[in-house]
Amino acid sequence: GAVVSQHPSRVICKSGTSVKIECRSLDFQATTMFWYRQFPKKSLMLMATSNEGSKATYEQGVEKDKFLINHASLTLSTLTVTSAHPEDSSFYICSARAFEGAGIETQYFGPGTRLLVL
Amino acid sequence: GNSVTQMEGPVTLSEEAFLTINCTYTATGYPSLFWYVQYPGEGLQLLLKATKADDKGSNKGFEATYRKETTSFHLEKGSVQVSDSAVYFCALGLNTGGFKTIFGAGTRLFVKA
Repeated sequence: GAVVSQHPSRVICKSGTSVKIECRSLDFQATTMFWYRQFPKKSLMLMATSNEGSKATYEQGVEKDKFLINHASLTLSTLTVTSAHPEDSSFYICSARAFEGAGIETQYFGPGTRLLVL
Repeated sequence: GNSVTQMEGPVTLSEEAFLTINCTYTATGYPSLFWYVQYPGEGLQLLLKATKADDKGSNKGFEATYRKETTSFHLEKGSVQVSDSAVYFCALGLNTGGFKTIFGAGTRLFVKA
């Protein structure tokens, strides 16, 4: 199957700093990528849909000025957590939308980035 | 609305036991159905999928059948191994002006040797 990578895999930062997380589709082009947040022992919460060359679409309750998303190419989307605070500590997972035979859509997920804000 | 309900965990089984994790869905359209697996400390991996009614998805000994009449997509495996210990997420994918995946809450599986 298709491969999606994330970098870094884990990051620790001080409160008030900004952190950028990269999501790359390695062997396919993805016009659409998704960013999720996962709390401990919980399911994934969709934060935003990232569209190549246009603004991201944020889910209700997600602060777009705090979670900046840029999808500058068909293989890269970035999520920047601005002015991070301890409550932003979480596991962030991206996925990329792929089309397979007969127009079937599937999402392939990155391995996740664990963010710890001190 | 669109939602996925799966059985609460954790599920604890002995090695070689039979596994069933129930999943039902509600959807306004005609969704694709997925099972994802998440091993400790990792992201999600697609385990199997089915795109239309009566399709059976299978992978690594796991299988699930898309049952439109009961709106279900139960995950089964005939003989689990310790290495199957993980969290399993049932999900539906819909294209309603943009493709979205909706996840169930996840079911944690522990397999004892």
